[in-house]
Amino acid sequence: ELKVEQNPLFLSMQEGKNYTIYCNYSTTSDRLYWYRQDPGKSLESLFVLLSNGAVKQEGRLMASLDTKARLSTLHITAAVHDLSATYFCAVDRGYSGGGADGLTFGKGTHLIIQP
Amino acid sequence: DTGVSQDPRHKITKRGQNVTFRCDPISEHNRLYWYRQTLGQGPEFLTYFQNEAQLEKSRLLSDRFSAERPKGSFSTLEIQRTEQGDSAMYLCASSGTSGGEETQYFGPGTRLLVL
Repeated sequence: ELKVEQNPLFLSMQEGKNYTIYCNYSTTSDRLYWYRQDPGKSLESLFVLLSNGAVKQEGRLMASLDTKARLSTLHITAAVHDLSATYFCAVDRGYSGGGADGLTFGKGTHLIIQP
Repeated sequence: DTGVSQDPRHKITKRGQNVTFRCDPISEHNRLYWYRQTLGQGPEFLTYFQNEAQLEKSRLLSDRFSAERPKGSFSTLEIQRTEQGDSAMYLCASSGTSGGEETQYFGPGTRLLVL
């Protein structure tokens, strides 16, 4: 059974600081997703990582994937308050070649960025 | 197209009643997914459709749950004889198979409360 573990589950940090969220998963997969969720809202897609060594950046967020280590990271650079949210990583449960299948999500990292 | 839509957004029902939720995916997407999310947890996969075919069902989807996508467009999720444990956010997502990143785009969700 595929398991996805995120850490930390809760993170409080100050504006301007850098930090990294880690996502480990238990079985081979070459598709990893990062989503953001604001309180009471649905999920917003941030990144899709499709191969070993993939790196994507958008603004102050950068995501990377190491399929050999079964590890993805989401790095936050010079955090700002607007980035406060819950961040989820998710792994494709069984990529069949014809499109994404159901995702297995981690428990999420609740991030609070204080001024 | 404005994205995935779900109806209703909120539903309060009494234990034992039946409820039905609707999801309208992004129009060109042929894959549609249902997830359930409880407070403080990541979404859990329930089932998915490719066009009108239901290709996979999670063990979480008990006999009281049924999902349909009759014409390969909108989908419905019905819960019969609701229980208090069914209280959750029910999320729908859709994706395409255009050979791209196949991101799953999530709708706003239907929040169910069973009294």
